[in-house]
Amino acid sequence: QDQLVQSGAEVKKPGASVKLSCKASGYIFTSYAMNWVRQAPGQRLEWMAWINAGNGNTKYSQKFQGRVTVTRDASASIAYMELSSLTSGDTAVYYCARGYSGINPNSYFDLWGRGTLVTVSS
Amino acid sequence: EIVLTQSPGTLSVSPGERVTLSCRASQSFSTSSLAWYQQRPGQAPRLLLYDAFSRSAGVPDRFSGSGSGTDFTLTIKRLEPEDFAVYFCHQFDSSPYTFGQGTKLELK
Repeated sequence: QDQLVQSGAEVKKPGASVKLSCKASGYIFTSYAMNWVRQAPGQRLEWMAWINAGNGNTKYSQKFQGRVTVTRDASASIAYMELSSLTSGDTAVYYCARGYSGINPNSYFDLWGRGTLVTVSS
Repeated sequence: EIVLTQSPGTLSVSPGERVTLSCRASQSFSTSSLAWYQQRPGQAPRLLLYDAFSRSAGVPDRFSGSGSGTDFTLTIKRLEPEDFAVYFCHQFDSSPYTFGQGTKLELK
């Protein structure tokens, strides 16, 4: 059964960074892409970044460019998302979501993790 | 950026009813770049439809999609108890890929 298991909740102080993980199982990790999407309280889902799990190519939302980095460990089937210079506005649930097309970021998300709550508070 | 506006925000309905959810885009995009998701409380979003009308594996045929250009709809005929959830539309035609704000189906 295809599954994405995300790391646990994080509490960070403003200015800090957070690195989240998303472990894939049940499918060939490198045949798909991984996206990162967040949802702040009361807000809509917001796409942040995409990574080709096969070759590591990335694409970022301009909103987060320079502050977000997505990587992957293909040998362990894990995708990572690091977000830096955190502010209270980054408090949100962060989801990893598999991109159906492994090579084209213009694709729907056919499998989602359950999300990781990141709270940014002093 | 393509803004997706869903309506209504909340729909109070009863099991067995038929519902139509709307997703309107701020600019036209390819029909093959629209997806719908369902999210039940405490669960991960689930892909329902892709390419505007193609059902994902395991999705019952009471779910159907239609539309093109800037106007898309998700129809659920004969609501089942498990269908009470939040539904999102999503465009992946142009970056940044965007989502609607969601329509919540609640029990009347």
